[in-house]
Amino acid sequence: QQQVKQSPQSLIVQKGGISIINCAYENTAFDYFPWYQQFPGKGPALLIAIRPDVSEKKEGRFTISFNKSAKQFSLHIMDSQPGDSATYFCAASSGGSNYKLTFGKGTLLTVNP
Amino acid sequence: DVKVTQSSRYLVKRTGEKVFLECVQDMDHENMFWYRQDPGLGLRLIYFSYDVKMKEKGDIPEGYSVSREKKERFSLILESASTNQTSMYLCASSFQGARNIQYFGAGTRLSVL
Repeated sequence: QQQVKQSPQSLIVQKGGISIINCAYENTAFDYFPWYQQFPGKGPALLIAIRPDVSEKKEGRFTISFNKSAKQFSLHIMDSQPGDSATYFCAASSGGSNYKLTFGKGTLLTVNP
Repeated sequence: DVKVTQSSRYLVKRTGEKVFLECVQDMDHENMFWYRQDPGLGLRLIYFSYDVKMKEKGDIPEGYSVSREKKERFSLILESASTNQTSMYLCASSFQGARNIQYFGAGTRLSVL
């Protein structure tokens, strides 16, 4: 059972454009939603994260939008740059003693110059 | 900076061999994780540990075991490697006080022939 569904699987954007990656979840106990960025040959690294008490979080060109009622959240990359080309994973976890992150399947983003 | 080091970047083994993948973190993190990453499947949790000698099964523990004898070191063991265990293996660690933020190693690409 896939608990976090991510789309699209791949995305090609022109330099300066907006990249949008979407995720949907099923488990209403999830209370932490991070996005990880992975460059080729590297491990994933935390990019930005949000908790469900806010609907949006912005860090530089990266914004998470969160819709609790729809159980969806998305990553927006404004003014996309070739250096943003990477694989992006959304994830979710719940509190308490659960240390686990449940990851989406990933989106390969290519930003053309 | 947090450093999570995986002992090998590439490993080639034969079917039936016992394989050890080693991971060391230098930030005194309590929690450590092993994932496998396959194209189109994202990151799937194999095992995790929240303390020395403690371990819990993740989503796909079959065919794997783990060992954590020291806080900084977490080993993944393939008791009898099979071709379907050919994959990228990622180790991660997190601090108990911020356990949702996981720091990843660069990965070990294992080929089982």
